[in-house]
Amino acid sequence: TQLLEQSPQFLSIQEGENLTVYCNSSSVFSSLQWYRQEPGEGPVLLVTVVTGGEVKKLKRLTFQFGDARKDSSLHITAAQPGDTGLYLCAGPPPGDYKLSFGAGTTVTVRA
Amino acid sequence: GAGVSQTPSNKVTEKGKYVELRCDPISGHTALYWYRQSLGQGPEFLIYFQGTGAADDSGLPNDRFFAVRPEGSVSTLKIQRTERGDSAVYLCASSLTYREKAFFGQGTRLTVV
Repeated sequence: TQLLEQSPQFLSIQEGENLTVYCNSSSVFSSLQWYRQEPGEGPVLLVTVVTGGEVKKLKRLTFQFGDARKDSSLHITAAQPGDTGLYLCAGPPPGDYKLSFGAGTTVTVRA
Repeated sequence: GAGVSQTPSNKVTEKGKYVELRCDPISGHTALYWYRQSLGQGPEFLIYFQGTGAADDSGLPNDRFFAVRPEGSVSTLKIQRTERGDSAVYLCASSLTYREKAFFGQGTRLTVV
């Protein structure tokens, strides 16, 4: 059983559309991280959220940490083909320091 | 080097053989992590080194897996008597210290046939 559940598993949209991916858990996390991974590459850290209710923006990407620190979302505005990739959320489980990853959402943006 | 380097990029081996996977972390990074990523899954923690010592090897699936980092820099993940279920991408990451941002290598895709 995954500690972090990501949805949807796959998402295919047209260039210019918006999308949101979700990361949920029944556990409280001290922080959550979002990574993007391209084929044949390792994950690259996009952002870390640490405060309940926190919203962070990275150009067209908006990350939100739930008030209860059990969930997070990533919203992409006006998606571009360069946004294509596997989006992973990760965080240290309660009482631990090691990162536990979700299974990821594969995003495909069609030109 | 500029980033975390893993060699080889791809490794195909026969069931029962021994393999070694190498990780060159970013210079000066004291923390080093190994993860395994199966198809359609996120990375799963295997082992963490702080300096030369394995601070946490709780993610190693069984005693066929072993990792070393003798001089606190390069690390080698060793898998004995490989099984088809060991097929996965093995990722290495390093960070300045264990709570700092981790940088991942491109991974080694291991296929056991």
